[in-house]
Amino acid sequence: AQSVSQHNHHVILSEAASLELGCNYSYGGTVNLFWYVQYPGQHLQLLLKYFSGDPLVKGIKGFEAEFIKSKFSFNLRKPSVQWSDTAEYFCAGKRTGGFKTIFGAGTRLFVKA
Amino acid sequence: SAVISQKPSRDICQRGTSLTIQCQVDSQVTMMFWYRQQPGQSLTLIATANQGSEATYESGFVIDKFPISRPNLTFSTLTVSNMSPEDSSIYLCSVEDALERTDTQYFGPGTRLTVL
Repeated sequence: AQSVSQHNHHVILSEAASLELGCNYSYGGTVNLFWYVQYPGQHLQLLLKYFSGDPLVKGIKGFEAEFIKSKFSFNLRKPSVQWSDTAEYFCAGKRTGGFKTIFGAGTRLFVKA
Repeated sequence: SAVISQKPSRDICQRGTSLTIQCQVDSQVTMMFWYRQQPGQSLTLIATANQGSEATYESGFVIDKFPISRPNLTFSTLTVSNMSPEDSSIYLCSVEDALERTDTQYFGPGTRLTVL
């Protein structure tokens, strides 16, 4: 069955700390992978996505994610977080050519100023 | 991209009543989805709203409980029928434009429903 799992439900970091949020997927065939973010009081929005090509993808606000096919992973990273990165982050996957996007459980990140 | 609005933004309802949530998009889109996000949990797809035909429901969701309309390419409604406290949740409308070929979904602000 298709699934997306996120390793951490809650993460607390101090400003300037490095961030890595884990995401693993279980899909047959090729898959498109996404990270969405929901800032407090705002809509869910796309942070970055991987379709093909360079496995290291860069998104908005200095975020990046690396697709590692052998590990079925798509971890999100940021070298130095800011207080404004406090948000909930969702990893998601969609089979190439499919209709349904499957979301992970989400990780709530709190960055202490 | 697409800008999505939902009405109402929140509501408090009595058990046994029904609530209709509206989703309006600022452009014509091919795919519209309704999700539920229960407290502390991820997004669960309720159904795909199809223009001109019946919605496609996910396992565990039925048309009698969550009737959906999609009269055109910019508008959809979701009704939560015969509500119980277990229906308390955030309901999200989402769209994806297949013509963009990006698989990117755009989300509305959500409707926060509390059932007493």
